[in-house]
Amino acid sequence: DSGVTQTPKHLITATGQRVTLRCSPRSGDLSVYWYQQSLDQGLQFLIQYYNGEERAKGNILERFSAQQFPDLHSELNLSSLELGDSALYFCASSENSGDTQYFGPGTRLTVL
Amino acid sequence: GQSLEQPSEVTAVEGAIVQINCTYQTSGFYGLSWYQQHDGGAPTFLSYNALDGLEETGRFSSFLSRSDSYGYLLLQELQMKDSASYFCALNRDDKIIFGKGTRLHILP
Repeated sequence: DSGVTQTPKHLITATGQRVTLRCSPRSGDLSVYWYQQSLDQGLQFLIQYYNGEERAKGNILERFSAQQFPDLHSELNLSSLELGDSALYFCASSENSGDTQYFGPGTRLTVL
Repeated sequence: GQSLEQPSEVTAVEGAIVQINCTYQTSGFYGLSWYQQHDGGAPTFLSYNALDGLEETGRFSSFLSRSDSYGYLLLQELQMKDSASYFCALNRDDKIIFGKGTRLHILP
């Protein structure tokens, strides 16, 4: 158990819909990262927050957005969903930027 | 730019030793990490090299050579449970850049 929690574990929705994925980092970790992993693909970095502020942006679509709240939990919002958005979405946390990352169990999103 | 290259697949026999290589091109980083991911599971941290040389953690060792822009993960006494994907990753000031991963197949 990494100490990082993600909800929900599974999510099935339809094209065009909007969903919110939630992540609680390990106690004491200030950085939260979001990754997308499609079938047989590597980890695609989406976005990073550090202590409430956006720190780095990767291959995140404009339809996607995220935020980190004062209690350091983070949410990833995916809107106007497409079939291709079906993937595993991982959240990871670290004490500071660039430190070893600890991954949550992931949210499996299926868009029908 | 930054990129990491690692083989997409490696096959080895149970009980043997296997080495997974990682080469990189980057403008700067302060360490090379390795992560393991079983099918359907989350990546988990294995090893980290901040300095050149070998780091040993039980059956797993990791090596870094900055002058050669190269690192590797060495797995000894392979067990069936080691069948997984292995990712090398560069630690930078602002983020970690992951390679595409190497799927390790272990034959009995």
